[in-house]
Formats: sequence, C-alpha cells, structure tokens
Amino acid sequence: EAQVTQNPRYLITVTGKKLTVTCSQNMNHEYMSWYRQDPGLGLRQIYYSMNVEVTDKGDVPEGYKVSRKEKRNFPLILESPSPNQTSLYFCASSEAGAGEQFFGPGTRLTVL
Amino acid sequence: AQSVTQLGSHVSVSEGALVLLRCNYSSSVPPYLFWYVQYPNQGLQLLLKYTTGATLVKGINGFEAEFKKSETSFHLTKPSAHMSDAAEYFCAVRSGGGADGLTFGKGTHLIIQP
Repeated sequence: EAQVTQNPRYLITVTGKKLTVTCSQNMNHEYMSWYRQDPGLGLRQIYYSMNVEVTDKGDVPEGYKVSRKEKRNFPLILESPSPNQTSLYFCASSEAGAGEQFFGPGTRLTVL
Repeated sequence: AQSVTQLGSHVSVSEGALVLLRCNYSSSVPPYLFWYVQYPNQGLQLLLKYTTGATLVKGINGFEAEFKKSETSFHLTKPSAHMSDAAEYFCAVRSGGGADGLTFGKGTHLIIQP
C-alpha cells in the first residue's frame, strides 16, 4: 500500500530535550516536505527536500532541522524544543512537478 | 509569494442542502489548485485538483470545484450535504520557484446540521 508513515504519532516532551520525528514514504517520491498545523493558521511549510541531500527552508523553519540521506526518509529534528513548537506536524511527499502531495497521519507534539 | 484566502472559518449547512466553500488565491504564475479534507484525528486527503484543461473539476465524495481565472477563485461545492461530510477543508495553491510545496488557506470547518 502506497503510504507516508510518521513516528511517533503522539509525543509529550520537555523544553530543551532533543527529539526526532521520523517520516518515510514507499512511493519513490523525489519531493518531501514538513508542515505544522495550528488552529486558525492552517498548515505552514517548515522544510522541504527536492531530492537526496537537497533541502531548503519553508515558511517557518526556525527551531527545526531536517536531513535527506535516503530518498524514502525525511526526519524532522528539534534540537532544543520550546513550548511554541507544540503543534500537529505532517510529513508529505510527491513526485517532482506533480503538485499533488500525499500526507502522513500526523504527529501531535506537546512541549512542556 | 502566493496566498490563499478561505472565506468563513466555519460553515454550517443542513443535511441535504448545497455545500459551498469559498477559496480565492493569488498567484503570479498559472496555479495548480487543490482541495484537501481532514476528518477528525486524521491526516489530509486530496478531494480534487486543478492543473490544466477543464476548469470544472470533479473529485471524490460528490464534490466539485470550478477554476475561475478572472475571479481568482476555486470554490468547492456539493449539491447535497451528508452528515459524513463534516470535516475541515483546506484550499491550497502550489508554490512557485520550483519548490513543489503547497500554500494553504486557514481552513473551513464544515458543520452539517441534521
């Protein structure tokens, strides 16, 4: 089954404790992206990657890092999480140029 | 930069009534436009998309949308609402600059009254 998976689905942590949210897709897509969803703000792009070893900032990159060492994986790293990063996070992937993105199930992060 | 405006953060309709969710966009290049639906505690699912060609696009679950370039609009409609349509709906436009990211509207919560 074609899908985007994220882990963990739910995470509660404390300020300053480094964490990684994993994202994997099995569709051989070139393009992957991370979004955060906040009430009243819709989804905003954090980082994206157009292929292996190619990443770039989206609209709200502060406080986040990403890496793309393999085509299927695109982890989101929070080196020192803060409460304002409490949010619902979505990973997405697509073929290059196709436009349509496939979304993972989401990771709900709470930073205390 | 591209942007999307969804009119109405909440829309309430009666079961069986017409559903109309409004979306306007701004884009410096011909846009790709999308509607996604998010059911409670789930990810986003593509309802329909416009890329090129026919301006009236049909999607899943009886939804359709019409691309009107002169009005920079891409409103979503469904002739007869069903209780199962209650969800959050997002309009999105594909970003320019070669990055295939989406710029989303803030979402419209659709409420179906019995």
